[in-house]
Amino acid sequence: GAVVSQHPSWVICKSGTSVKIECRSLDFQATTMFWYRQFPKQSLMLMATSNEGSKATYEQGVEKDKFLINHASLTLSTLTVTSAHPEDSSFYICSASLGQPNQPQHFGDGTRLSIL
Amino acid sequence: SQKIEQNSEALNIQEGKTATLTCNYTNYSPAYLQWYRQDPGRGPVFLLLIRENEKEKRKERLKVTFDTTLKQSLFHITASQPADSATYLCATHRSNDYKLSFGAGTTVTVRA
Repeated sequence: GAVVSQHPSWVICKSGTSVKIECRSLDFQATTMFWYRQFPKQSLMLMATSNEGSKATYEQGVEKDKFLINHASLTLSTLTVTSAHPEDSSFYICSASLGQPNQPQHFGDGTRLSIL
Repeated sequence: SQKIEQNSEALNIQEGKTATLTCNYTNYSPAYLQWYRQDPGRGPVFLLLIRENEKEKRKERLKVTFDTTLKQSLFHITASQPADSATYLCATHRSNDYKLSFGAGTTVTVRA
């Protein structure tokens, strides 16, 4: 099956630093990658949609200058949390798909981000 | 926007029994509905997709139904095993694009 690799799986850093999370589709070319945020016992909340070679589309209420997304190739998307603060602490998950509603999304294993 | 409700936050069942999870959606009727499994600290894993013109879909011990009149999908795990313990998420695409909206999930615990 389709494999999506997300790195790192766990990050602890000081307030004010920037953190980069990578998402790679290992065995297929993903037309679209998605970035989600999940709080404990809550649903996945879509933050942004990333298409290779174009600017990311952000959901309402998500600061694009805070959460920088780069989709350099059909297999790699990165999310950079800039000037992170404790309220940015969360579980961030990426997924990749062919971008059609009848196609499943293939998820990475998430990144647990803790800002001190 | 689409609202997805998974009625039970947690479900505890005995091994060998059938677990039944409910997913209700409001507003528009999606053409597809998907179910995912999520283990603690991991990303969701795709299980099944069912189309609006399909009443039922099966995969091994899993069965999904889709009732567009009731705006509801049921997810069944038959002959449940402790390894089935996880959180199960229901998701549909949004009305105006292919992006998914997820329910909060139902956590299933199967007792040996």
